[in-house]
Amino acid sequence: GAVVSQHPSRVICKSGTSVKIECRSLDFQATTMFWYRQFPKQSLMLMATSNEGSKATYEQGVEKDKFLINHASLTLSTLTVTSAHPEDSSFYICSARIPPTSGEYNEQFFGPGTRLTVL
Amino acid sequence: GEDVEQSLFLSVREGDSSVINCTYTDSSSTYLYWYKQEPGAGLQLLTYIFSNMDMKQDQRLTVLLNKKDKHLSLRIADTQTGDSAIYFCAEREASGTYKYIFGTGTRLKVLA
Repeated sequence: GAVVSQHPSRVICKSGTSVKIECRSLDFQATTMFWYRQFPKQSLMLMATSNEGSKATYEQGVEKDKFLINHASLTLSTLTVTSAHPEDSSFYICSARIPPTSGEYNEQFFGPGTRLTVL
Repeated sequence: GEDVEQSLFLSVREGDSSVINCTYTDSSSTYLYWYKQEPGAGLQLLTYIFSNMDMKQDQRLTVLLNKKDKHLSLRIADTQTGDSAIYFCAEREASGTYKYIFGTGTRLKVLA
C-alpha cells in the first residue's frame, strides 16, 4: 500500500520556539493532505486540509497563524507550530489522500505521527 | 457537526470474540472505516465498508452496518494479545471534502 512518512518522529522544544513537521507521500502524489492532532487518550481531531498549490482550509477553532501549513509539492506538506507553548504538546498525525480513480474508495493513508513536547 | 461515539473500554479473554461498537450521525456518509492504533504509533487501516453494504468479512474481522440506526460494529474473532490497541471508527463526509470524522476510540485489552 501507499506509504506516508513524517519527520521528525519526536521533537522536544523550548517554549516560544517554532517547530516544523514534514509529511511526505513516498510512492504517490497527494493533491490533498490532512493534519490531525491527538491528545493523550483522545481521538484524532482534524486541524486542517492542505491542498497542493493553495491555502490550507482550517477547521473551526484552529489558529491559522499559529499552525502554518504549506503544501508546496505533490509529495510534501509541512506544519509549523509557531511560538510553541506547553499546551501545544500533542501527537500530530498527517494523512495523504490518494488521487481518485474509478472504483477506489479514496482512502487516506496516515503517517506514523510526530510527538511534540514543549517545555 | 457530526459526532461519532464509541464505548471507551473493552476487555476480553484471549480466544474470545471482541465486538466494538460505533454510532455515527451523518446518514449520508459513503464510507465507514475501522482503524487500529498501537501505543505511540500512527493509524493502521483494518477494513472499511461502503454505505450500501450491510456486512463485510475479512479473515478474522467482520463489519456490520445498520444504516437505519447509524450503527457500525467490528467483530474480531479469536482475539489475540496482539490485538490489544485502540480502535477508531471513522466516517467519510459526503460533502466532497473527503474529510474523516473519527470516533472517540475504544481501548481493547486482551487478557491471556
